Amino acid sequence: EVQLVESGGGLVQPGGSLRLSCAASGFTVSSNYMSWVRQAPGKGLEWVSVIYSGGSTYYADSVKGRFTISRDNSKNTLYLQMNSLRAEDTAVYYCARVRAGTYELDYWGQGTLVTVSS
Amino acid sequence: SYVLTQPPSVSVAPGQTARITCGGNNIGSKSVHWYQQKPGQAPVLVVYDDSDRPSGIPERFSGSNSGNTATLTISRVEAGDEADYYCQVWDSSSDHYVFGTGTKVTVL
Repeated sequence: EVQLVESGGGLVQPGGSLRLSCAASGFTVSSNYMSWVRQAPGKGLEWVSVIYSGGSTYYADSVKGRFTISRDNSKNTLYLQMNSLRAEDTAVYYCARVRAGTYELDYWGQGTLVTVSS
Repeated sequence: SYVLTQPPSVSVAPGQTARITCGGNNIGSKSVHWYQQKPGQAPVLVVYDDSDRPSGIPERFSGSNSGNTATLTISRVEAGDEADYYCQVWDSSSDHYVFGTGTKVTVL
């Protein structure tokens, strides 16, 4: 059974950093495309970043240069390093598996809340 | 950047048909995916590649895509279908993933 479990969210001050983790089971992270999607309180879904099986990474313009997506193959875990955090980064962050070829997000984690506030 | 536009809300009586549109420039040339999100829960994929359903999704959920509009159709609507629905595409020109603005479906 495919499972994704996020962790690492919490309260952080503006300008601070946080690293989110997404532990996967039931499949191999390194062989798949993996993505982060966020949702601000009361708002819609916003794509954040993707890492492809070959290692290429892409970012939304709103986080480029501040966030870094990565993976640890030995731990079968996806990460999102978030630096220079702003109030507008406050959101629930979801990790999701992306199906290669058609690019739908077929499995999602339960999400972890990041709050950026002083 | 590529933009997907959805109506903010759709209301439908139980047993009737709900249609949710997703507008985008020449969206018919892209694969469109649809997600259902209930309050406090993660999104769930209900339709992928325009009109295919993942296992476990009822046949009442169907999709179509042509020209500048994709449509998610929910037939014989039930109270449990009340949720927010989002369309999504992959923009090959930027390698970005784009979500629609979201539609809240209310069952009357």
